[in-house]
Amino acid sequence: NAGVTQTPKFQVLKTGQSMTLQCAQDMNHEYMSWYRQDPGMGLRLIHYSVGAGITDQGEVPNGYNVSRSTTEDFPLRLLSAAPSQTSVYFCASSYSPLTSGIADTQYFGPGTRLTVL
Amino acid sequence: EDKVVQSPLSLVVHEGDTVTLNCSYEVTNFRSLLWYKQEKKAPTFLFMLTSSGIEKKSGRLSSILDKKELFSILNITATQTGDSAVYLCAVEEAGGGADGLTFGKGTHLIIQP
Repeated sequence: NAGVTQTPKFQVLKTGQSMTLQCAQDMNHEYMSWYRQDPGMGLRLIHYSVGAGITDQGEVPNGYNVSRSTTEDFPLRLLSAAPSQTSVYFCASSYSPLTSGIADTQYFGPGTRLTVL
Repeated sequence: EDKVVQSPLSLVVHEGDTVTLNCSYEVTNFRSLLWYKQEKKAPTFLFMLTSSGIEKKSGRLSSILDKKELFSILNITATQTGDSAVYLCAVEEAGGGADGLTFGKGTHLIIQP
C-alpha cells in the first residue's frame, strides 16, 4: 500500500490564484480530513469527510472547498489564494471516524508546503 | 481558551536523559487522547489512550492517561538524538463539533549529543 499520498509537495502561488491540493489513500478508509499546520500552532482541521459524497467543515474552513466523489480521493481547493493560507497542509485518513469509539490509527500524508505571495 | 495544552513548549536535554512531556486537556465529551511525533513534516502516530491508568509502552516510549485529572504524560527514557522532534498531543471528542482532533501546540524536544 502507498498509504496516504499528497501532491504537490511544494507550491508557490500568487495572491488570487487558485489551485487544488491532491490527497489519495489506497487503504479503503472511509474517513479523510485536511489539516493545516502553522508555526506555534497545533494542527487545525479544515474539512473532513466520513465517506464518499459526504463532507463537512472543520475548525478553519474559510477559503477552502472540498469534495469526495470517491473513497480514495479527497482534494482540497483554494479558490482565491491569500497570504494567510501560507502553511503546511496535511491530509489524513482512518478506517473509521474518530468519534466511532473504535481505536484506530489516523494515517497522515507527507504534507504540502504552500506559500502564497 | 486552548482545549489542549502541552508543556513544556520546548525542552533541551542531553543524550541518555529521561524526559517527561505533559498534555492537559479540557473537553466536554472525551473519547481518546493521542500522541504523535513530528519530524520534518508529517506527524507519525505513537499512542492512543482511552482508559485511565493503563500505560501504553513502545520501546523507550511510554504514556499514561489520567482521566480524573485530565492529563497525560509521555515518557522517553535513555533519549537519543533521533528522538529530537516535535511531540504533539491531540484529544478526540465524542459527538458534537468537528469529527476530528484538537491538537496542542506541541513540545519541541531537542536531544543534544
